[in-house]
Formats: sequence, structure tokens, C-alpha cells
Amino acid sequence: QKEVEQNSGPLSVPEGAIASLNCTYSDRGSQSFFWYRQYSGKSPELIMSIYSNGDKEDGRFTAQLNKASQYVSLLIRDSQPSDSATYLCAVRVDNYGQNFVFGPGTRLSVLP
Amino acid sequence: ETGVTQTPRHLVMGMTNKKSLKCEQHLGHNAMYWYKQSAKKPLELMFVYNFKEQTENNSVPSRFSPECPNSSHLFLHLHTLQPEDSALYLCASSQEVGRRETQYFGPGTRLLVL
Repeated sequence: QKEVEQNSGPLSVPEGAIASLNCTYSDRGSQSFFWYRQYSGKSPELIMSIYSNGDKEDGRFTAQLNKASQYVSLLIRDSQPSDSATYLCAVRVDNYGQNFVFGPGTRLSVLP
Repeated sequence: ETGVTQTPRHLVMGMTNKKSLKCEQHLGHNAMYWYKQSAKKPLELMFVYNFKEQTENNSVPSRFSPECPNSSHLFLHLHTLQPEDSALYLCASSQEVGRRETQYFGPGTRLLVL
């Protein structure tokens, strides 16, 4: 069973703070990792993809990947109330067809 | 239109009805997916099509029947559904480039089965 785990939250941070979202995965063969943002009643929107160990930065977002620890995280700097949403971690395993496995999501609330 | 579109956006149906969900992608991708998202549950992959061929069927009940006439269109035919099938049904598409593949979602169809 290929699993992706996330803390369901809610995670509450004050406006301007750094929000840290974590994700662990079970399959060591995983090669591609994604963070999606989903507002209530809307579909998931891709924020970041990461494929190599280390950090990847895009604006206020930084994804961090540690394949040895089977851990991927998303940092949101200078959090804004508009960042309040559910953040989904997704993993694609090579040689497993085109199957993207999603975590349950972490609900983030940024308080003004 | 651009991206991935889905129709209808909302659907209410009785358990004896037959309806179809439609998805169209304008991204030139070769793979299309159906997901089910129920309240407080992770996204569940239902079906995957790659170049019009079904490559994944994750033990989905036969009351859900997919159809992929070409790489740009995907349908989900529904018949004799149960109330527990009420959920958000999401279509997605992707394209593998150099062993890297990113998936993009449509807006979803919110389905209510009475």
C-alpha cells in the first residue's frame, strides 16, 4: 500500500509568519513530489513540484525534499490570509503507471 | 478555452438515473484521470487513460463507466448510483516530459445522489 501522510490540521499561523507543512511517504521508489493548494469548494491548484533532494524556491514558497527520510515539506513565508486553504501533498512513483498518490491534506488558517 | 474544463459543474441525480460527466483538456497532454473527492477523505484515483488506453482502474464499481474517445476528451458515465457516491469528481490531465510529469486539474463536478 503506497501511502502519503500529512497532519490534517488545522494549522493556524498569524499573518506574516512562516507556515510549515509536512508530508511523509511510504514508497522509496517515489521520484516526483507535488504540493497543491485547494480552496474550499474548488479544485486543487499546483503550487510546486520537486524532484531532487534539497530546496526549491518559488516566490514565498519553498519546497524541501529529503528522499532518505522520505519527507517533503512546504514553507510559506510572509503568510497571508489568502493562503488559508487545504494543502495537498502528492507523490508519483516511477514504474507504477501514472498513479499519483495524494495525502489527506493539511488545512492552513492564516489569522489577520 | 484553456486548461482542463469539466461539465456540468453541479449535478443532482436520483439513484435510477443515468448521466455523464464530461472533461476536456486543451493542454495537449496524453494522459487523463478521474478522481473522486469525498468529504474528509484523500483524493481517490478512479481511472487513468494514456493515449486513449485505460491503464488504471482502482477497483471502481461498475456503476461508473469511463470512456476516452481521444486524448482530449474523457467521460464518466454514471448509472444506478448510491447516495455514498455523492462527492466532487475531478478530472485531471498530464504529460510526461523527460520522466517528469505534472498533473493539472479541472474545476470538478459536484455530484449529489438522492
